[in-house]
Amino acid sequence: QSALTQPASVSGSPGQSITISCTGTSSDFGGYSYVSWFQQHPGKAPKLMIYEVSKRPSGVSNRFSGSKSGNTASLTISGLQAEDEADYYCSSYTSSSTPYVFGTGTKVTVL
Amino acid sequence: QVQLVQSGAEVKKPGASVKVSCKASGYTFTSYYMHWVRQAPGQGLEWMGIINPSGGSTSYAQKFQGRVTMTRDTSTSTVYMELSSLRSEDTAVYYCARGRVGSGYPAIPGIFDYWGQGTLVTVSS
Repeated sequence: QSALTQPASVSGSPGQSITISCTGTSSDFGGYSYVSWFQQHPGKAPKLMIYEVSKRPSGVSNRFSGSKSGNTASLTISGLQAEDEADYYCSSYTSSSTPYVFGTGTKVTVL
Repeated sequence: QVQLVQSGAEVKKPGASVKVSCKASGYTFTSYYMHWVRQAPGQGLEWMGIINPSGGSTSYAQKFQGRVTMTRDTSTSTVYMELSSLRSEDTAVYYCARGRVGSGYPAIPGIFDYWGQGTLVTVSS
């Protein structure tokens, strides 16, 4: 099972919006609802930011939003802030023998 | 509040086994699944498997079949992940993550909502 494909890095200035893509195959996303996004600061555990494509856990800023179209999911961070600088990973349920897969990860830099 | 507290760092020799624990608190232990995910130094996240603390059933990633064993102790609300025949490529931080069943399709514990702090396992001769 191959990892989902994400851009290695994305950057933006404070206040701007950025979008991170997450591309898989039809077996990765299919008609499934289990696309999630995680934020990971250096030396820390991942933190759930988006689940079921576009839902935000309690306590997560509404500056974070998720969507999916076909075999590509996206995470948008609006009003970029210095604290958003971190690594971001997508994940999905898949129909393969290994049912969960993560993306390759994207480093977000706030200029 | 939900907490997952993992055991401390380990150093093992190639060929040995390691057993990492994850103690849950703040919720009903048997009502949620537990995933194990690892991250090699400077690398991405990799799903290893899942255990249902209620009945003890497990499902492992194909890559780890035959080398990984996940168990649980309901009396202490603790899950364990044991990895055998260690090699240098197994050097990584190992995380437990609670699996919640969402409202989406299919009805599987696909929401990794709380994570442990991670356990560094170093395999070196």
